[in-house]
Amino acid sequence: AQTVTQSQPEMSVQEAETVTLSCTYDTSESDYYLFWYKQPPSRQMILVIRQEAYKQQNATENRFSVNFQKAAKSFSLKISDSQLGDAAMYFCAYGGATNKLIFGTGTLLAVQP
Amino acid sequence: DVKVTQSSRYLVKRTGEKVFLECVQDMDHENMFWYRQDPGLGLRLIYFSYDVKMKEKGDIPEGYSVSREKKERFSLILESASTNQTSMYLCASSLIAGGGGYTFGSGTRLTVV
Repeated sequence: AQTVTQSQPEMSVQEAETVTLSCTYDTSESDYYLFWYKQPPSRQMILVIRQEAYKQQNATENRFSVNFQKAAKSFSLKISDSQLGDAAMYFCAYGGATNKLIFGTGTLLAVQP
Repeated sequence: DVKVTQSSRYLVKRTGEKVFLECVQDMDHENMFWYRQDPGLGLRLIYFSYDVKMKEKGDIPEGYSVSREKKERFSLILESASTNQTSMYLCASSLIAGGGGYTFGSGTRLTVV
């Protein structure tokens, strides 16, 4: 069975600085997708970034980028130029052949002004 | 934009009550999901549905059932609410198996007293 592990329950970053959130996963599938979701205090889950496992190039979305290491089964999220609005819970998720997303336990990111 | 609407943002129910959590999506998605979110545990899948009248158990189905009579509506039922079902419940829908990610509702925070 697939698993997703987020080993950092909480992180903190200064405004305008860069922070990296870690995620590792375990799977025997060769084709899959990885996601980072953001959940602000409003509770609305927002898709931040998506990576297809067969693509070697790391996905980027504006200030958000990933470091996808397929062999190491690692999928970290880098947030550059952190803003106060980035403060949220971040979830890493795995999507494979079953169509179910498997989520990690989340990392709560605080942004200090 | 796809919209997933959960009928209640907050609910307080008594132990032993039958509770219905409603979820409606407006974009003709085949797949719908119910997750439970608890601190330190992330999101855990309760039930999901690939089509009308079809349902499959997720990782924690005990104490819950679901109904999908119409494509756009997916209901979660707590047959006899208990205090350990106090939690945040998130509904999601998706079109593409695995790779498309989910669109989430804004969650229902249920308290069972």
